[in-house]
Amino acid sequence: KAGVTQTPRYLIKTRGQQVTLSCSPISGHRSVSWYQQTPGQGLQFLFEYFSETQRNKGNFPGRFSGRQFSNSRSEMNVSTLELGDSALYLCASSAPGQDYEQYFGPGTRLTVT
Amino acid sequence: QKEVEQDPGPLSVPEGAIVSLNCTYSNSAFQYFMWYRQYSRKGPELLMYTYSSGNKEDGRFTAQVDKSSKYISLFIRDSQPSDSATYLCAMSNYQLIWGAGTKLIIKP
Repeated sequence: KAGVTQTPRYLIKTRGQQVTLSCSPISGHRSVSWYQQTPGQGLQFLFEYFSETQRNKGNFPGRFSGRQFSNSRSEMNVSTLELGDSALYLCASSAPGQDYEQYFGPGTRLTVT
Repeated sequence: QKEVEQDPGPLSVPEGAIVSLNCTYSNSAFQYFMWYRQYSRKGPELLMYTYSSGNKEDGRFTAQVDKSSKYISLFIRDSQPSDSATYLCAMSNYQLIWGAGTKLIIKP
């Protein structure tokens, strides 16, 4: 069974630009969560989607948004990038009823200059 | 105060030592307790999970949950250089809450 895939793996953007990251979950997994990971703040929850609906949301500004498609693939968007948005963005999927067992992708390393 | 507290380390120990990694938490509603391992430049992977209280063993790894003290531990016996990674605890009632992660270094 293929794992969680994320594209792109690396990205360099300029302040003020916007970015879209993509995540394909494990086949059969309908829940997709997004996280931001930085050395100072650790792993921080952005949001979770289940069956195309946002089920949970973390404490991030409205510049961070996401969506999920009918095939469970998910995208997250960050508008008006700031230097502090530089981070590793991780996507994780889980099987129905097993939210505690998250399968993570390799992440997208975003650098904002 | 964070819901889950975890010492970020780094924790450096010689090969073969017993390693103890710990997290404390404040929310008594947590029912699932997980340990994830993250190697450099990779996403975290689930090592072990425990439902409610008690111990769970898997090879060289033992997870303990003490709900009365709101304290969880991960023990690694006969530690190997390949165990060098960041270990994150996570807890769940309806949403996963993560610790900051402890960087572990096993010196050959």
